[in-house]
Amino acid sequence: EVQLLESGGDLVQPGGSLRLSCAVSGFTFSNYAMSWVRQAPGKGLEWVSAIFASGASYYADSVKGRFTISRDNSKNTLYLQMNSLRVEDTAVYYCAKRHTTVTANFFDDWGQGTLVTVSS
Amino acid sequence: DIQMTQSPSSLSASVGDRVTITCRASQGISSSLAWYQQKPGKVPKLLIYAASTLQSGVPSRFSGSGSGTDFTLTISSLQPEDVAAYYCQKYHSAPFTFGPGTKVDIK
Repeated sequence: EVQLLESGGDLVQPGGSLRLSCAVSGFTFSNYAMSWVRQAPGKGLEWVSAIFASGASYYADSVKGRFTISRDNSKNTLYLQMNSLRVEDTAVYYCAKRHTTVTANFFDDWGQGTLVTVSS
Repeated sequence: DIQMTQSPSSLSASVGDRVTITCRASQGISSSLAWYQQKPGKVPKLLIYAASTLQSGVPSRFSGSGSGTDFTLTISSLQPEDVAAYYCQKYHSAPFTFGPGTKVDIK
């Protein structure tokens, strides 16, 4: 069974930093592209960042230059380093796994999410 | 970047009604479109990919169509358990943008 477990969400002041983790199990992590998707309170889904199996990474314009996605295949863990946080970064952050059989970046497995609150 | 829009932003329909949601891309994305359902307080669930391929386990009352810039998600007979927000997502190339969502409830 595929499991994705996010952690690291917290209350942080504007300008601060936070690192999110997503520990995975139930599939060969190193073979799959992974993404972070966020959802601000009462709002829609926003794709944030993706990292491919090759290590290539991509970012939404809203976080480019502030957030860094990475992966540790030996630990089966995905990360999101978030710097220079803004109030508008407040959201539940989900990690999501690329579809099991189709090599394309839509998601058939999601974690339960971790809440990041940016406030003074 | 390609922008994604959805219409309507919300709708209310009766049980058994046919419901159609539209998603539009600002540029052509071939058939690289997915649809998700998110029930209140729950994690998003994949319904459809490649514009019209039903994800395993998804009821057959859900269907998708379209290619290029215009796509539709249809619920052939709305059920109470279909109350949710529905999102389209392009995956043709990064950024893998979601549409703003459509909220569906029961009249």
